[in-house]
Amino acid sequence: GAVVSQHPSWVICKSGTSVKIECRSLDFQATTMFWYRQFPKQSLMLMATSNEGSKATYEQGVEKDKFLINHASLTLSTLTVTSAHPEDSSFYICSARDTGTSGTYEQYFGPGTRLTVT
Amino acid sequence: GDSVTQMEGPVTLSEEAFLTINCTYTATGYPSLFWYVQYPGEGLQLLLKATKADDKGSNKGFEATYRKETTSFHLEKGSVQVSDSAVYFCALSDSKSTFGDGTTLTVKP
Repeated sequence: GAVVSQHPSWVICKSGTSVKIECRSLDFQATTMFWYRQFPKQSLMLMATSNEGSKATYEQGVEKDKFLINHASLTLSTLTVTSAHPEDSSFYICSARDTGTSGTYEQYFGPGTRLTVT
Repeated sequence: GDSVTQMEGPVTLSEEAFLTINCTYTATGYPSLFWYVQYPGEGLQLLLKATKADDKGSNKGFEATYRKETTSFHLEKGSVQVSDSAVYFCALSDSKSTFGDGTTLTVKP
């Protein structure tokens, strides 16, 4: 149980285009999902917290107009990188918190999406 | 704010050696503590967790004990295998998670 999927697993796009990444909780409901960015050989950097039915909360320094987050249902959150540039190339990881196990703050991570902007 | 400090790597061990990766934290509340493992090109997998002081998390031979008095959650394994080679992240979580910088472990045959 507690599986989180991401799609696509890798994507290459041209500079100036937009890319959408999906994060799904497959066997549980997730009121809260998180989006992270990871640079090579570095730790995870929290970009934003996505709450179902409300606006996402962005971390300081993250451009909300560039990284659009939508959490339309209890099992799906999307991250859209708009007008992508080569510096947006990174490994994007989502995680989801099981709404039914509050108190442990355990998150389940997706396998990540490798974005390369050419 | 919350923070996690992990032992710097990389760590290189021979197979069957004893492993310790140190992790200390600062937090204003009473967070849950986690160790995650990341294999190359993959996302994070939960290795073990502890939700309150003196709890011991264990999985696949790895152990870590939530020490409130020393604000630590050190990861240990008595005998590592080549397949344990990966990056290990210590993390704390309350309303959101805070990660350490990760420690790369390489186990040689």
